[in-house]
Amino acid sequence: RKEVEQDPGPFNVPEGATVAFNCTYSNSASQSFFWYRQDCRKEPKLLMSVYSSGNEDGRFTAQLNRASQYISLLIRDSKLSDSATYLCVVNRGTDKLIFGTGTRLQVFP
Amino acid sequence: GAVVSQHPSRVICKSGTSVKIECRSLDFQATTMFWYRQFPKKSLMLMATSNEGSKATYEQGVEKDKFLINHASLTLSTLTVTSAHPEDSSFYICSASQYLSSYNEQFFGPGTRLTVL
Repeated sequence: RKEVEQDPGPFNVPEGATVAFNCTYSNSASQSFFWYRQDCRKEPKLLMSVYSSGNEDGRFTAQLNRASQYISLLIRDSKLSDSATYLCVVNRGTDKLIFGTGTRLQVFP
Repeated sequence: GAVVSQHPSRVICKSGTSVKIECRSLDFQATTMFWYRQFPKKSLMLMATSNEGSKATYEQGVEKDKFLINHASLTLSTLTVTSAHPEDSSFYICSASQYLSSYNEQFFGPGTRLTVL
């Protein structure tokens, strides 16, 4: 079983839609959690950190449920420019980041 | 955010040759850098952790004699793929770690696409 699991998608949604991605992690010792965005043939870029209290950044909301070892990302009012692969990433408290395989989002007009 | 560069961005080489990839932190000093490999439609897989002035720590299954890592200064780490073969063709990405207010954030380089013929 992979340490970080995501539905690979693709999620095809129209502009303006709300879309949610889920992620589960297997190592209960994981301490930090992130969502990264990766465009095709580019490096990943940090989208946001994820906290147990939940956090919001504009149209993006991230949630962490430690008891269920579950992380989510909600994107409201989808834009064409949101089309990318969204990577769920955990850190076990060392410097190492463990990446999920990513969920691909395609927003269409 | 901090800037990390990689060079070259793309390389095509013949089987059996060695290829060196450079990773530089441009505006900060990074005691730790990381090397990842990503195959098409797959996740980033950590290959090794590179610490300035000491030997790299390799992940299980990564051959240290094939993927030579040198972290000679606080702003430069290099990855050399020795005797490259077609199965080594991949997207290689480095990152550099910088301690921010409460955690170490990794800043990624733009990646190097290696194609071995």
